Amino acid sequence: DVQLVESGGGLVQPGGSLRLSCAASGFTLSSYWMSWVRQAPGKRLEWVANIKQDGSEKYYVDSVKGRFTISRDNAKNSLYLQMNSLRAEDTAVYYCARVVFSGIFYYADFWGQGTLVTVSS
Amino acid sequence: DIQMTQSPSSLSASVGDRVTITCRASQSISSCLNWYQQKPGKAPKLLIYAASSLQSGVPSRFSGSGSGTDFTLTISSLQREDFATYHCQQSCSISAWTFGQGTKVEIK
Repeated sequence: DVQLVESGGGLVQPGGSLRLSCAASGFTLSSYWMSWVRQAPGKRLEWVANIKQDGSEKYYVDSVKGRFTISRDNAKNSLYLQMNSLRAEDTAVYYCARVVFSGIFYYADFWGQGTLVTVSS
Repeated sequence: DIQMTQSPSSLSASVGDRVTITCRASQSISSCLNWYQQKPGKAPKLLIYAASSLQSGVPSRFSGSGSGTDFTLTISSLQREDFATYHCQQSCSISAWTFGQGTKVEIK
């Protein structure tokens, strides 16, 4: 069975850093784009970043550009999100998701259970 | 950026009701529209992709339609396990995705 398990969330002060991990199992990670999506309390889902199968392409939402870095280690079946210069508005549950590309359409078909990041002093 | 607007933001319905949720894009997105179901404290679950394709394992009472800027998710006969929040998402480009604000379906 496909499984995605996030870890690394927690409480961090504004300006601090955190590294999220997503452990993938049940499928070949190197065959898929992967994504991070977050959801602040009471807010809509917000796409954060996408990374290509070999890590050669990365895309970010404007609000995290220059602060967050998505990466992957296919040999370790893991996806990462390095978050620097954290702000209160980054407080959210962060989900990793597997991305399917059907040739025309993209969609996230499996999601992890999420990890909570709280940015507060 | 493409903005996604869902309506209504919430609705109350009874078991057996037909429920329709609408999602509108700020510009044409062809059929690059996905629908997810989310229950409290849980991860989103893919229901419909490419506007009208049913994800494997999803009950056939769920259906999607639309193209361009206007899309709908229909639940033909609401079941107790369908009470949840539903999100639309545009994903035409891998470089920028956006979600609707969500529609919460509650028990009447």
